[in-house]
Amino acid sequence: DQQVKQNSPSLSVQEGRISILNCDYTNSMFDYFLWYKKYPAEGPTFLISISSIKDKNEDGRFTVFLNKSAKHLSLHIVPSQPGDSAVYFCAASGGGGSNYKLTFGKGTLLTVNP
Amino acid sequence: GAGVSQSPRYKVTKRGQDVTLRCDPISSHATLYWYQQALGQGPEFLTYFNYEAQPDKSGLPSDRFSAERPEGSISTLTIQRTEQRDSAMYRCASSSGMGTNEQFFGPGTRLTVL
Repeated sequence: DQQVKQNSPSLSVQEGRISILNCDYTNSMFDYFLWYKKYPAEGPTFLISISSIKDKNEDGRFTVFLNKSAKHLSLHIVPSQPGDSAVYFCAASGGGGSNYKLTFGKGTLLTVNP
Repeated sequence: GAGVSQSPRYKVTKRGQDVTLRCDPISSHATLYWYQQALGQGPEFLTYFNYEAQPDKSGLPSDRFSAERPEGSISTLTIQRTEQRDSAMYRCASSSGMGTNEQFFGPGTRLTVL
C-alpha cells in the first residue's frame, strides 16, 4: 500500500509558466517531507523540504506547501525553466522512531518546453 | 569524497549467483542507507547504518540480502543466490545524521539477473 502517492506520472509546461507537482500521503505520523529531483543516469538530488510545523517553505524559484489536514503537499516552480525537466520524487519521514527512513512516491516526470 | 559513489554502476549476473554491491558515502557522514528502486517506482528502504551499527534491516526482502559496514565508512550489500525478481536499481545514500533527514544519493547500481 503506497503511503506516499504522486498521482500524475507526467506533467508538461511551457517555459516561464508555473509548474505544480502534487503529492498525497496516508500516514499521519509523517512529520517531515522532502522533494528530490532526478536527472537520467544520476541519483536523486535533494531539492527542498518542509517540517510539519510549517505550511510553506520557499527557496528561490521553488516553494513547497503543506496541508496537513488534507495530507497533501505540493511543489511550485516559478518560473519554470527547461533545465527543470526531470523526475521529481516526493518523500516523507517520521513517526514511531523511524525518522531516518524515507518513503518515496513513484515520481512525476516534468517536461518544460522552450 | 565529494559525493556518494557506488560500484559497479551496472551488474549483470545469472540466476543463482551471489553479487556484492559497494557504497562509498560522503566521508563525514555517519549514517548510510540502502534502497531498492524498481522500474517506474520510487526508492524503497532496505536498511541503514549509523556508523557500523545496523539498527534497522526490516526492509531487506529476504535472508538472501545482507549488508555490512564494518569500519563505519564503506558499505557492501550482498545478495546471495540471486533471483530474477532481484533485478532493480540499488541506491545508497548518506546523511550527516545530525538531526537532518536530508539524504545524499549515489548514482546507483543497476542489477540485472538473467
